[in-house]
Amino acid sequence: GAGVSQTPSNKVTEKGKYVELRCDPISGHTALYWYRQSLGQGPEFLIYFQGTGAADDSGLPNDRFFAVRPEGSVSTLKIQRTERGDSAVYLCASSLAVEAEQFFGPGTRLTVL
Amino acid sequence: AQSVTQLDSQVPVFEEAPVELRCNYSSSVSVYLFWYVQYPNQGLQLLLKYLSGSTLVKGINGFEAEFNKSQTSFHLRKPSVHISDTAEYFCAVSDSYNNNDMRFGAGTRLTVKP
Repeated sequence: GAGVSQTPSNKVTEKGKYVELRCDPISGHTALYWYRQSLGQGPEFLIYFQGTGAADDSGLPNDRFFAVRPEGSVSTLKIQRTERGDSAVYLCASSLAVEAEQFFGPGTRLTVL
Repeated sequence: AQSVTQLDSQVPVFEEAPVELRCNYSSSVSVYLFWYVQYPNQGLQLLLKYLSGSTLVKGINGFEAEFNKSQTSFHLRKPSVHISDTAEYFCAVSDSYNNNDMRFGAGTRLTVKP
């Protein structure tokens, strides 16, 4: 069956611009997670949704980052006024429940010039 | 909060040799432990996980790991590696009461040489 998909696979933008990154979770998965993976590092937790609501957004680095999941399926990570330090691979994962295995998408590589 | 240390950033080995990738964690509460593999240009894939029960956990592709609570370790092992095992390996820990907060190590790059 279809796994977690993320679009675009690559995004190049200029400093100060706004970007949106999309995640399509596995159908029926109620939990959705966003992570950021900087070069040479492991994934870093950003935010977690249970259904439509953000159950834990403690990993978002600052108020330029925001994520939504309006219908409890697709999620969009939004970054305002991008900075060069935002360059990373943004990973999305989904799971059937909080206690279940997280399935990861291939990620979106964001490059801020 | 919990954290993970992967002691080796790179591990080169020859094909058919055994390998151990080391992982130590710190946590003040009961934990779940995971190993993920990331092949080039692919997403993270779960190799194995420890939730409870037997401390020796067997995963996919012939990998296994042992949970050692006294040493706070969860080392990954394989008795004989293949070229196709070349990848980045990540150890992760989550609070068993709050599994959404999963913390990853920095990763170990396993390179299998012919």
